[in-house]
Amino acid sequence: EVQVVESGGGLVQPGGSLRLSCSASGFIFSNYVMHWVRQAPGKGLEYVSTIHPDGDETRYADSVKGRFTISRDNSKDTLYLQMSSLRAEDTAVYYCVKDLTGFFAFDYWGQGTLVTVSS
Amino acid sequence: QSALTQPASVSGSPGQSITISCTGTSSDVGSYNLVSWYQQHPGKAPKLMIYEGTKRPSGVSNRFSGSKSGNTASLTISGLQAEDETDYYCCSYAGRSNWVFGGGTKLTVL
Repeated sequence: EVQVVESGGGLVQPGGSLRLSCSASGFIFSNYVMHWVRQAPGKGLEYVSTIHPDGDETRYADSVKGRFTISRDNSKDTLYLQMSSLRAEDTAVYYCVKDLTGFFAFDYWGQGTLVTVSS
Repeated sequence: QSALTQPASVSGSPGQSITISCTGTSSDVGSYNLVSWYQQHPGKAPKLMIYEGTKRPSGVSNRFSGSKSGNTASLTISGLQAEDETDYYCCSYAGRSNWVFGGGTKLTVL
């Protein structure tokens, strides 16, 4: 059974940093593109970032570019999102998402981890 | 990249059909047959319902179907059931490893 489980969320002050992790199981992690998608409280879904299987290609939404860094450790089946210079508008549930290969869609989502940016 | 436009809410009676529209631009929905739809119950993770505009993942009811015309994609739910009442989001690939979501539609089953 495919599973992705996020961790690392919490309360952080504006300007602070936080690293999210996502542990994957039930599929060959190193073969798949992975994504982060977020959802602010009571709001819609927002694409955040993508990383290719080897980690050589990454992509970011304009809203986080230069502040967030996506990475992966295929030996540990783990995806990361390093977030810095955090702002109040980054407050959201962050979902780790597996890519549906070849179809540019998101087929398995974790339950999410809440990041709250507030003083 | 602007969000795709969805109606804030739609409603229908049990057994009826409803359609949720998703309007983008020639840079996203209009350029790619890569629209996906997600169902999200309160407090839960989104679930993929439709991908590549019209395809259903294994396990998704055939009451759910997708289509596209020009810059607008649509999700149709036929034989509406109480369990269908929740939020639905469309998403389109927009090129260069970039995706854009719709604002979401709340479906009410009357």
